[in-house]
Amino acid sequence: SQKIEQNSEALNIQEGKTATLTCNYTNYSPAYLQWYRQDPGRGPVFLLLIRENEKEKRKERLKVTFDTTLKQSLFHITASQPADSATYLCALEGYNFNKFYFGSGTKLNVKP
Amino acid sequence: DGGITQSPKYLFRKEGQNVTLSCEQNLNHDAMYWYRQDPGQGLRLIYYSQIVNDFQKGDIAEGYSVSREKKESFPLTVTSAQKNPTAFYLCASSIDLAGPAQYFGPGTRLLVL
Repeated sequence: SQKIEQNSEALNIQEGKTATLTCNYTNYSPAYLQWYRQDPGRGPVFLLLIRENEKEKRKERLKVTFDTTLKQSLFHITASQPADSATYLCALEGYNFNKFYFGSGTKLNVKP
Repeated sequence: DGGITQSPKYLFRKEGQNVTLSCEQNLNHDAMYWYRQDPGQGLRLIYYSQIVNDFQKGDIAEGYSVSREKKESFPLTVTSAQKNPTAFYLCASSIDLAGPAQYFGPGTRLLVL
């Protein structure tokens, strides 16, 4: 199986700054990695997917990087807003593409 | 609107009782999943299904059962054998097992009386 590590401590930043969240994995490098947003009491919402042959992916204010050498993905939110406050989960597909493994998530607090 | 629905939003279980959580999708996805989420923990996979009439155990299947008689539906039964059922249960679907993305329902919170 895959072990995924996300910082369990909340990340507190000021509005307008860039938030950077980290996802580390320990075993095989997945073919792709995903990031999800989860608000309290709700299901996760898919944000971005990055494949192993892609170094970087962008979508509006979001940017994801994927370093298979470091076994790490970084998730950036630029010009952060209080509405970006949520828990962000990373997920990796299983070795045989039959399941997904999720990290425990990092809570982001953006203060006005 | 396409999406995944789960019901009920809250469910109370008495000691020794089996309860069933509903999950329906109209996204025409082949793969469906059930996860359990406990406070401060990641999502843990209970069961998944690739196609109708086929399903596989995930990492924490003990005390749970599922069926997949229709493409749109994947109900989860929490049996009396599950000794610690209090959790937030999430149903998800994807085009197929390879994803690439999963779409989640709003969740069901199960509480034990």
